[in-house]
Amino acid sequence: QITLKESGPTLVKPTQTLTLTCTFSGFSLTSTLVGVGWLRQAPGKAPEWLALLYWDDEKRYSPSLESRLTITKDTSENRVVFTMTDMDPVDTARYYCAHWTGAIDLWGPGIVVTVSS
Amino acid sequence: EIVLTQSPATLSLSPGERATLSCRASQSVSIYLAWYQQKPGQSPRLLIYDTSYRAIGIPARFSGSGSGTDFTLTISSLEPEDSAVYYCQQRHDWPRTFGQGSKVEIK
Repeated sequence: QITLKESGPTLVKPTQTLTLTCTFSGFSLTSTLVGVGWLRQAPGKAPEWLALLYWDDEKRYSPSLESRLTITKDTSENRVVFTMTDMDPVDTARYYCAHWTGAIDLWGPGIVVTVSS
Repeated sequence: EIVLTQSPATLSLSPGERATLSCRASQSVSIYLAWYQQKPGQSPRLLIYDTSYRAIGIPARFSGSGSGTDFTLTISSLEPEDSAVYYCQQRHDWPRTFGQGSKVEIK
């Protein structure tokens, strides 16, 4: 059974860096075609894809945010770490990590991140 | 960036009726379109991938069709638990993009 769970701060100040961790089980990020990605969803809005890390360490980022994003893996610990720099109130949203094999097979429960001073 | 436009924005139907949701892409996405269901307070759930393949555990009343730029999600006979927002998403090109969603209300 695949599970994912996001952890990290729920409140960050403007200009700070957000660091979120996705801890997963039930699969290996070394398995071919597997990826772990990050998405976010502002209240009442559609999800927005942010970053994706594949089994072979290929990384993809949303072009509009690429300069602010980093995604890395800790294979031995079954974790994927996501950072977003220079946070702004418009970045307030629920942030999800998700298991990808083509489509987004499974989403974590998400973590609400509020950006406010 | 590929823009996905969903219609209608809201659909209000009675149990047992057929729901037809549309997703139109600004350029071809081949068959690489997925549909997700999101209920209030829940994470999105994969229903359909690559246009017409049902994800594990998804009831047969959900089906997908289309290709290129025009896609349809059909719920053949609505159940009360199908009340949700439905999103389409393409994986043909980067960045991965979503439609704005269609809300299905059950009368």
